[in-house]
Amino acid sequence: DAKTTQPPSMDCAEGRAANLPCNHSTISGNEYVYWYRQIHSQGPQYIIHGLKNNETNEMASLIITEDRKSSTLILPHATLRDTAVYYCIVRVGYGGSQGNLIFGKGTKLSVKP
Amino acid sequence: DVKVTQSSRYLVKRTGEKVFLECVQDMDHENMFWYRQDPGLGLRLIYFSYDVKMKEKGDIPEGYSVSREKKERFSLILESASTNQTSMYLCASSQLPGQKGSEAFFGQGTRLTVV
Repeated sequence: DAKTTQPPSMDCAEGRAANLPCNHSTISGNEYVYWYRQIHSQGPQYIIHGLKNNETNEMASLIITEDRKSSTLILPHATLRDTAVYYCIVRVGYGGSQGNLIFGKGTKLSVKP
Repeated sequence: DVKVTQSSRYLVKRTGEKVFLECVQDMDHENMFWYRQDPGLGLRLIYFSYDVKMKEKGDIPEGYSVSREKKERFSLILESASTNQTSMYLCASSQLPGQKGSEAFFGQGTRLTVV
């Protein structure tokens, strides 16, 4: 079973920041938080990941709470092309059979003009 | 650019046929995955491999098997296709988790219809 909880859907106005929450209250010390998104009819696409520090790349920012029990993915200026299902995943930080990716239901983000 | 290539985009097979879905990655990744995706159910992990000849069952392995004879290739096998295996199948590969570049890369998917 997925170890994360996300709202099933969210709306965001074009040009505004989209803040997507994720709860992972049972996360353990060696688990990373990963975010992916899936645009309709395409394979999932990696966005960002982190362990405990906040992370930023050209696509998004990831804010992880100090207790690591939740995180927020921020798309700073959402566009219509950001409409997708966003998945938050926790994954252990070592190899072997524990390194698999388990997807939950995700959040369907709709960016509206 | 990393490429994960699935052999077919669309496939139609008959009930009872043995079906092979092939996936090849060109980034020397250790981990490879097979998922199926169905409306309302999201992505569900079928099988996972973290090394050549190694495999682990995911959440829904029944009716499927896999083969990883070479690092770059991970095959999903439907031993005797059934209509409830009609689905979108997605392959992915990744480096070891936590490492730089450990994100997973997905293929474009194979939409399999079993009639």
